[in-house]
Parts: sequence; C-alpha cells; structure tokens
Amino acid sequence: DQQVKQNSPSLSVQEGRISILNCDYTNSMFDYFLWYKKYPAEGPTFLISISSIKDKNEDGRFTVFLNKSAKHLSLHIVPSQPGDSAVYFCAASETGGYNKLIFGAGTRLAVHP
Amino acid sequence: EAEVAQSPRYKITEKSQAVAFWCDPISGHATLYWYRQILGQGPELLVQFQDESVVDDSQLPKDRFSAERLKGVDSTLKIQPAELGDSAMYLCASSLSSGDGYTFGSGTRLTVV
Repeated sequence: DQQVKQNSPSLSVQEGRISILNCDYTNSMFDYFLWYKKYPAEGPTFLISISSIKDKNEDGRFTVFLNKSAKHLSLHIVPSQPGDSAVYFCAASETGGYNKLIFGAGTRLAVHP
Repeated sequence: EAEVAQSPRYKITEKSQAVAFWCDPISGHATLYWYRQILGQGPELLVQFQDESVVDDSQLPKDRFSAERLKGVDSTLKIQPAELGDSAMYLCASSLSSGDGYTFGSGTRLTVV
C-alpha cells in the first residue's frame, strides 16, 4: 500500500523554464511534507517542507504547494537550472509518529541547456 | 557543516555471506534511522533508534537483519545471510529529536552476487 505516490518517474525541462513535480498521498493523518533532492551515489538532501496548516511555502527558486482536500502537493522550480538535474523525493510524516518519513518513489528531473 | 558518516561507501558480497554497515550520526543527535533504497523506489525505513532504544523496527526483516546502537551514538546494521534481493542503497540519517528534520549520510551501496 503506497501511501505517498509520485506518478511521473521522469521529467525533462529546458533551462530557464518551470519544473513542476507532483506528489499524491492517501493517509489523511499526514501533517508534514518534505521534498528531498538526491544526486547519484549521495544521500538525499533536504530541499523544502510544508506543514499542513499552510498551503504554500517558498524558498528562493523553490515553492511547494499543498492541496489538502485533494491530498496533493507539488514542487515548482523557477527558473530551472542544469544543476537541478537530480531525483526528487516527496516524503510525508504524521505528528506523533516518531517522525517516520514515508517516501514516494521519486521523479528524475533532467534540465537541458 | 556537520555530516552523518557511513562506511563503507560500496560493498560487494556473495550470497549467504554476512555484511555489516556502520553509521556515525551528527554529534548530539538522539534519533538515528536506517533506511533502505532499492533502485527505482523511495527510501523505506528499516529501523529507528531513540538514543540506544529501538522505537520502530516493524519493516526490519528480523530473520536476517539486526541493528544496534549500544551507547546511543554510532550504529551498526548487519545482514546475515545476505540474499540477492538485499542489493540496495542503505542510508543512515539522524536528527536532534524525533520531531526534527533529518540529515542523511551518503549511504552504502550493497551489491549481492
């Protein structure tokens, strides 16, 4: 039972354009959501997060949107840069759940010059 | 910047052999996690420690996997005997407490032949 789903395994975007990565979840108890970025042969690094009391969080070129009614979140990267090429994981946790993160399968983003 | 240290970076072992991975979390981080990432999937929690105590090992295949964090600092994850399906990236992460964000190590890439 996949509680966090990233249905697009890959995404290709031209440099300077917007990248939109999507994530859906099924567990209504999730109240904290995170995006991690992973380069090959490295561990995931934290990118941006959002609490369920918000619907948007912005950090520089990165913005995460949360639609609780649809159980959907998205990560927008504007403008996309070649260095953004990596695998992006969506993750979710619930308060009181010992902070256990449930990850999606990831989306591989390729940003072309 | 403080890091989570893992060793070895790469390990090739034969089926039915024993293998062990080591993790040294960021100093002062009470919570330590071991995740497994199979190629094409997201990381999955194997075991979570709070200091030296296990708080979640529900996804740990206990017939062959064991984990310890004897003094509440560094940790060892062992597989005995290794099976072909254990080939994956084994990631260690730590956090100050169970309510804080994670920092991941670079992982150990295990190949079982």
